[in-house]
Amino acid sequence: NAGVTQTPKFQVLKTGQSMTLQCAQDMNHEYMSWYRQDPGMGLRLIHYSVGAGITDQGEVPNGYNVSRSTTEDFPLRLLSAAPSQTSVYFCASMVADGSSYEQYFGPGTRLTVT
Amino acid sequence: SQQGEEDPQALSIQEGENATMNCSYKTSINNLQWYRQNSGRGLVHLILIRSNEREKHSGRLRVTLDTSKKSSSLLITASRAADTASYFCATDGGGYSTLTFGKGTMLLVSP
Repeated sequence: NAGVTQTPKFQVLKTGQSMTLQCAQDMNHEYMSWYRQDPGMGLRLIHYSVGAGITDQGEVPNGYNVSRSTTEDFPLRLLSAAPSQTSVYFCASMVADGSSYEQYFGPGTRLTVT
Repeated sequence: SQQGEEDPQALSIQEGENATMNCSYKTSINNLQWYRQNSGRGLVHLILIRSNEREKHSGRLRVTLDTSKKSSSLLITASRAADTASYFCATDGGGYSTLTFGKGTMLLVSP
């Protein structure tokens, strides 16, 4: 199993540009989520999904969109990038049947917005 | 937000010593988890303790939970240089599907 994969690893955007961060998992996990990690701030939840077709907002959803058309994929879209979105983005997945609450994290995407 | 707070923010010890990190949180929980993050990498799950448990062990890790004080501690015994990483506690805030992470403790273990 590849686990949770994220692409790209690094990205530089100009203010106002849009892009999609990709996340995929091959563990058939129902639950997937996106976090951002900023220095001194820990991880903050952006959006999450408990299954295909179901998404919900986390703590810091503004400026980001998500969709979940398949169990495997959970892309994060930046609509109009801003310097405040410079961060490291992590995708995570977890089974959602109550058998385990361990989240599996991808390697991260380091995004810089200039 | 329902955020866990780790203490200390940074900890520097020698190999062979024990490392203790603490986490405090604000609301009732179903379980509390500890994660580890090596520099430039994603987080890796270490251990989960349920709200009705007081202590749990896994290898060199020992976690305690005091729900009356809303606090947890992670003890790493006989630390190794390879334990150098950031350690985060995460709480579920009473719901199972979302986690709230603290800001982490940066542990440096010197040979």
